[in-house]
Amino acid sequence: GENVEQHPSTLSVQEGDSAVIKCTYSDSASNYFPWYKQELGKRPQLIIDIRSNVGEKKDQRIAVTLNKTAKHFSLHITETQPEDSAVYFCAASKAGTASKLTFGTGTRLQVTL
Amino acid sequence: NAGVTQTPKFQVLKTGQSMTLQCAQDMNHEYMSWYRQDPGMGLRLIHYSVGAGITDQGEVPNGYNVSRSTTEDFPLRLLSAAPSQTSVYFCASSSWGRTQAAEAFFGQGTRLTVV
Repeated sequence: GENVEQHPSTLSVQEGDSAVIKCTYSDSASNYFPWYKQELGKRPQLIIDIRSNVGEKKDQRIAVTLNKTAKHFSLHITETQPEDSAVYFCAASKAGTASKLTFGTGTRLQVTL
Repeated sequence: NAGVTQTPKFQVLKTGQSMTLQCAQDMNHEYMSWYRQDPGMGLRLIHYSVGAGITDQGEVPNGYNVSRSTTEDFPLRLLSAAPSQTSVYFCASSSWGRTQAAEAFFGQGTRLTVV
């Protein structure tokens, strides 16, 4: 089955700096890669996703890049703010398998003033 | 629009007890799933369903049963609770993308402690 690895497990940045979280996947058939943000005690919420037919997607301060050849994808957050502090999860799935998600182990992002 | 609703939010069980975690969605999604979240391990798929009457196992199905009698509801049953089942449980739903996967929406979670 699919295996998703996520790094780093913790990340501390100063407000205004950029943060990058990286994930690798094992199943070359995976074609959907969402990123979820989870605040303490809350549910995971989708912040951005990318499909395998594009290499990059951007939404304001958040961007995701995908390298299908190397089987890795990354989350980029620019101009970080204290409210970006949370745990971020990457995931992978593929069409035709009912959207089963395989998650990475999470990155705890701390944005300091 | 309530989205995905889970009950209860918190539960304490004694070892050997059974219980059912409820999950309901009002988005007419075909696909529903249950995940457990443990520290340092992300979310792991327990069981999933692609529609009423159809269920299948995920990565960690042992000790859990599911059924899907309606599109809206997908309860998770713990048959005989064990301390290893102490976790936070999330239900999720999405449209079943036959040609491409769709966004998953999560419930608010159930924090289960087995003593």
